[in-house]
Amino acid sequence: GDSVTQMEGPVTLSEEACLTINCTYTATGYPSLFWYVQYPGEGLQLLLKATKADDKGSNKGFEATYRKETTSFHLEKGSVQVSDSAVYFCALMDSSYKLIFGSGTRLLVRP
Amino acid sequence: EPEVTQTPSHQVTQMGQEVILRCVPISNHLYFYWYRQILGQKVEFLVSFYNNEISEKSEIFDDQFSVERPDGSNFTLKIRSTKLEDSAMYFCASSPRVAGRRATNEKLFFGSGTQLSVL
Repeated sequence: GDSVTQMEGPVTLSEEACLTINCTYTATGYPSLFWYVQYPGEGLQLLLKATKADDKGSNKGFEATYRKETTSFHLEKGSVQVSDSAVYFCALMDSSYKLIFGSGTRLLVRP
Repeated sequence: EPEVTQTPSHQVTQMGQEVILRCVPISNHLYFYWYRQILGQKVEFLVSFYNNEISEKSEIFDDQFSVERPDGSNFTLKIRSTKLEDSAMYFCASSPRVAGRRATNEKLFFGSGTQLSVL
C-alpha cells in the first residue's frame, strides 16, 4: 500500500541555519504531496503542497519539490527562525482523499 | 478564520472504560475524519464519515470504535472499552469536498487533538 517515510528527529538547529527534512513516498499513481506543521498546542496545519511531478510548493520561506524520479518531497528552508520550532509531517493523499502521513520530525531552533 | 475544535484536550481513563472524544467541524464542511498518532509513530487514518455514514475505515477501526454526528454540529468518536494501546493523540478533521474539484477536496482542516491516556 501507499506509504510515507521521513527522517527521524529531533532536528536541532541554530537560528539562520539551513534546514532539510527528508521525505520519500511509495504510491501507485501520482498522488498529491503535502507538508503539514504542528506548532505546540495547536492542530495540524497545511504548510505547502504539490500536485504533480516537478511542482514546487512554497510557503513562509519553506519549499518542497515533487520529485517523481526519486519519489521524494524534501522540505527545505534557507534560514530557520526560532518560531519555526514545530513538528513537521510529510503526507500523501490517496485516491479516496485520505491522507497517509509520515511519522513526523520535530524541529528545534535555538537562538 | 473558522476552525475545527476538539474537546477535551486531554483525557485520562481507566482500561475498560468508555470514552467519547468530541469534535466540532467547520460548519459548511461535509466530510469528517478521525486520525490518531501513537507516541513516536505515524499519524494513522481511522475513519471518514459523510452523509451520516462511514465512507471508509481502516483496520484499526474495529468494533470497539464508533462515530456519530448526533446533532448536526458535533462529530464524536467513541471507544467502547478502552485498552492500553488506545493511548494516543486523536485528531479530528473536516473537508468541504465538492464533486469534481480536486483542489477543494484535498483541503483537510485539523483540530488540535485530544491526548487520550489509558491507565
